[in-house]
Amino acid sequence: SQQGEEDPQALSIQEGENATMNCSYKTSINNLQWYRQNSGRGLVHLILIRSNEREKHSGRLRVTLDTSKKSSSLLITASRAADTASYFCATELQGAQKLVFGQGTRLTINP
Amino acid sequence: ETGVTQSPTHLIKTRGQQVTLRCSSQSGHNTVSWYQQALGQGPQFIFQYYREEENGRGNFPPRFSGLQFPNYSSELNVNALELDDSALYLCASTPRVQDQETQYFGPGTRLLVL
Repeated sequence: SQQGEEDPQALSIQEGENATMNCSYKTSINNLQWYRQNSGRGLVHLILIRSNEREKHSGRLRVTLDTSKKSSSLLITASRAADTASYFCATELQGAQKLVFGQGTRLTINP
Repeated sequence: ETGVTQSPTHLIKTRGQQVTLRCSSQSGHNTVSWYQQALGQGPQFIFQYYREEENGRGNFPPRFSGLQFPNYSSELNVNALELDDSALYLCASTPRVQDQETQYFGPGTRLLVL
């Protein structure tokens, strides 16, 4: 079963708008990561946030983590057509040597 | 490009057959993980290899097996293929088993079982 639940499952916005995706998880984690996947190809690592961090930025990406609510959000600002992809959150569980992925959010940026 | 390569890119097999998928890790990476991604789903962890030994396994039956070679390349073998094995198979490498933070994924092998 999946550790993470992502919301929404699909999101369609206009180019230039901001996109926000949410992820919830169930058990204690070492870190939470976000990945992008284009058209069923390989996963590209976007950003990692550790369990003792609350917010992290990387270019147009902003990630927040609330361990008390077991949730995270990914914000993409000033979206571009090239941002169209599926986005996955993945948690590294405490004491486990693996990543557990959510089911993903399919993001479409309309020109 | 992550430096992780996989072969073949696509594969069609029939039920009951056996398949071997290959992964070449990024240079200097001694840990490789394999994931199965069904259509419309997130990847699911199959197993991980570190220095040629299995180092963790997900909820997959024994007919899913693997190997890691001294040069840290890896194979995923699936016996007695079932229709539900149709999926994208991804491998990912990391520099050392202690550093689970960033996994570098290959482009995947898409397997279709008929």
